Amino acid sequence: QPVLTQPPSSSASPGESARLTCTLPSDINVRVYDIYWYQQKPGSPPRYLLYYYSDSDKGQGSGVPSRFSGSKDASANTGILHISGLQSEDEADYYCLIWPNNVGVFGGGTKLTVL
Amino acid sequence: EVQLVESGGGLVQPGGSLRLSCAASGFTFSDQFMDWVRQAPGKGLEWVGRARDKANSYTTQYAASVKGRFTISRDDSKNSLYLQMNSLKTEDTAVYYCARVLTVKWYFDLWGRGTLVTVSS
Repeated sequence: QPVLTQPPSSSASPGESARLTCTLPSDINVRVYDIYWYQQKPGSPPRYLLYYYSDSDKGQGSGVPSRFSGSKDASANTGILHISGLQSEDEADYYCLIWPNNVGVFGGGTKLTVL
Repeated sequence: EVQLVESGGGLVQPGGSLRLSCAASGFTFSDQFMDWVRQAPGKGLEWVGRARDKANSYTTQYAASVKGRFTISRDDSKNSLYLQMNSLKTEDTAVYYCARVLTVKWYFDLWGRGTLVTVSS
């Protein structure tokens, strides 16, 4: 089972932007996968944010602000979640997910602190 | 109200068995793919497995970590999803969530609040 690598923690100040990464193992090409992103706050189930495949194939979850967006850095084999205009309510854990061979694989998660 | 409600969690000894249930309401359960996802205390999310719908022959799929020990089933007449867990290990201790899969684009659009399973002697 592949391992998706996410930095354990990240921090930024209100109003700033955050860039959360999800690096795929070298034997899995990020170019061919939809990258899904979920947000989880303490004591709550995860919430779907968005998926990103390409600029022409992406989707936002219902009610998810446009401040949240996705991208890929193919040279680093990485999916990226961008959060602009950080708000205190964005403080949460963020998980990426891919579906190789119809098996779900989550990243380890990044705890985002909004200072 | 559209919701998923898990039940059946509790304390079980290593090697024991437990059956979790997920009751669905407010939508046409029989048309949906349904998954189980778990989260060990203080840890990240782990996909457990999937139950497909009748149109897909009710097939199931599992994570390698639970294959052969866990069985997912569903009863569309009761709008319910089940997770039979056998040969439980301490590392199976987690909150277990059921989640609805939106097959248009393969994401979880509805989650339950989870049920805690503790495997300990």
